[in-house]
Amino acid sequence: QVQLVESGGGLVKPGGSLRLSCVASGFTFSDYYMTWIRQAPGKGLGYISYISGGGSSIYYADSVKGRFTISRDNAKNSLYLQMNSLGAEDTALYYCARMWAVAGSDDAFDVWGQGTVVTVSS
Amino acid sequence: SYELTQPPSVSVSPGQTASITCSGDKLGDKYACWYQQKPGQSPVLVIYQDGERPSGIPERFSGSNSGNTATLTISGTQAMDEADYYCQAWDSSTVVFGGGTKLTVL
Repeated sequence: QVQLVESGGGLVKPGGSLRLSCVASGFTFSDYYMTWIRQAPGKGLGYISYISGGGSSIYYADSVKGRFTISRDNAKNSLYLQMNSLGAEDTALYYCARMWAVAGSDDAFDVWGQGTVVTVSS
Repeated sequence: SYELTQPPSVSVSPGQTASITCSGDKLGDKYACWYQQKPGQSPVLVIYQDGERPSGIPERFSGSNSGNTATLTISGTQAMDEADYYCQAWDSSTVVFGGGTKLTVL
């Protein structure tokens, strides 16, 4: 069955780094754009970044540009998010999600992982 | 930057129709999606392309989008529909989410 499983979250000090991973199964990973979306405690959803199937097209939200790097390894069916210079504002549940290219429409996020928690605190 | 505005909360009685709005400048010129998130769970896509339902989503969920407002409508609302709902659209290759609406069924 189609599944996304995130890992790599944890407690990190301000200014520190963390690398999140998302392993996909049940579909042809390289055929899909993938994205990272986060949700701060008690808050709404926030887009972070997305990457094309081949990895050549990448976009970042302004809030993480220059600090976060998205990448993928299609041979390993894996999506990554390298997070540097972390601050308290980055504390959140981080989801990876599959972008579904709807014909004649804009992409939608049709498959979500269970998320991994990142806590930035001294 | 583009913004989508949702009411923080909406209440509905069981069996009645719930409507959740999402407002944005010329939103009707874009495509809107809606996601349902129950406590402790990941979001689920319930509406895409303004009014289309993914496989497995009950027919009581419908959507529309015109002018500056997209609307998610839940007909015959059930207790299981109590959740947070988020609208989402694209603007200049950027993903935009609304702030979310807590739907209470009481």
